[in-house]
Amino acid sequence: EAGVAQSPRYKIIEKRQSVAFWCNPISGHATLYWYQQILGQGPKLLIQFQNNGVVDDSQLPKDRFSAERLKGVDSTLKIQPAKLEDSAVYLCASSLTGYSGNTIYFGEGSWLTVV
Amino acid sequence: QKEVEQDPGPLSVPEGAIVSLNCTYSNSAFQYFMWYRQYSRKGPELLMYTYSSGNKEDGRFTAQVDKSSKYISLFIRDSQPSDSATYLCAMSEGSNDYKLSFGAGTTVTVRA
Repeated sequence: EAGVAQSPRYKIIEKRQSVAFWCNPISGHATLYWYQQILGQGPKLLIQFQNNGVVDDSQLPKDRFSAERLKGVDSTLKIQPAKLEDSAVYLCASSLTGYSGNTIYFGEGSWLTVV
Repeated sequence: QKEVEQDPGPLSVPEGAIVSLNCTYSNSAFQYFMWYRQYSRKGPELLMYTYSSGNKEDGRFTAQVDKSSKYISLFIRDSQPSDSATYLCAMSEGSNDYKLSFGAGTTVTVRA
């Protein structure tokens, strides 16, 4: 079974530039998550989708971050304009449903450095 | 106060030793408790999953949950160099609100 795919794996940008990350979840998984993991910290949920609808985006900095999941499959996370403190790993994850008992599978992450 | 507290370590043990990891939490609504393993430059992978209080064993791994003390533990017996990774505890409240709150992770090195 193919895992959660993310791209690009690594990105270096200057502050105030924009960046976009792409995620392809495991086939058939209705729930998709984006997490932000700053070095030395645990992942923090940014946004959760159920199919193509947003379930929770309470911790997404909406003035600069946006995310969409068209057709309930792939998703993109965009940052514009980027700040130094956005340097982190952006982890996409998916699960069969949003209910407990379903394993949440993580991708390998997109590493962002803002200089 | 963070919702989930986890000592970041690092923890270094000789091969064959027992590794003991733990987390404390403040949200009494947490019912689902997990341990994830994260190798360097990889995403987290689920290691153990426990509902409510109690123990769960899977091979060399044992997870314990004490909801009365708001304390969870992971024990790794007969540790191997391949166990060297960062271990993250994670928790969730409800069955239909499956969002994870993570600890900061403990970095473990098993010396050959």
